[in-house]
Amino acid sequence: DQQVKQNSPSLSVQEGRISILNCDYTNSMFDYFLWYKKYPAEGPTFLISISSIKDKNEDGRFTVFLNKSAKHLSLHIVPSQPGDSAVYFCAARSGYSSASKIIFGSGTRLSIRP
Amino acid sequence: DTEVTQTPKHLVMGMTNKKSLKCEQHMGHRAMYWYKQKAKKPPELMFVYSYEKLSINESVPSRFSPECPNSSLLNLHLHALQPEDSALYLCASSLGRAPGANVLTFGAGSRLTVL
Repeated sequence: DQQVKQNSPSLSVQEGRISILNCDYTNSMFDYFLWYKKYPAEGPTFLISISSIKDKNEDGRFTVFLNKSAKHLSLHIVPSQPGDSAVYFCAARSGYSSASKIIFGSGTRLSIRP
Repeated sequence: DTEVTQTPKHLVMGMTNKKSLKCEQHMGHRAMYWYKQKAKKPPELMFVYSYEKLSINESVPSRFSPECPNSSLLNLHLHALQPEDSALYLCASSLGRAPGANVLTFGAGSRLTVL
């Protein structure tokens, strides 16, 4: 049973436009959400996160929105740049502890076309 | 140093071999993780060490044996693996205390092929 779902395996966006990546989750105990970006032959790198007490977090071109009632979060990238082409993973965890049990979604491959 | 270093990058082994994957970080992180990722699938958590103690084992078969000799090193000992164990094995670390515990820093991974 997938607790974190990314239903779009791929997305193609024109350079300069907005990229919107979506993620749904089923576990209401999740209270912290993260987005990771992965290039080929590299490990995932942390991009942006949001706590469940917020509904929006912004960092430069990246904004994450959280809708707790819908159990849905999205990552907006604007403007999209060629270097944004990568696989994006949504991830979630529940509770604070000294070690995290973080669950990943299956990923969305974003391609930015010129 | 802001990196997690994994060796080897590639490993090919037979089903009767014994090998080890190694992971090292010098960021002062006190939690370290092993994830397994198969093609077109998300990373799946295998083990978590917190302050050098095993805190999470996600019902991983005993042919995978983790070891955390100190706060900077994490090993994954492999023995009698099956071809279906072929995957990318990712090591990660985090601060080990909230809120830094939420953000994992990953290595580039060790790609394992079991023949």
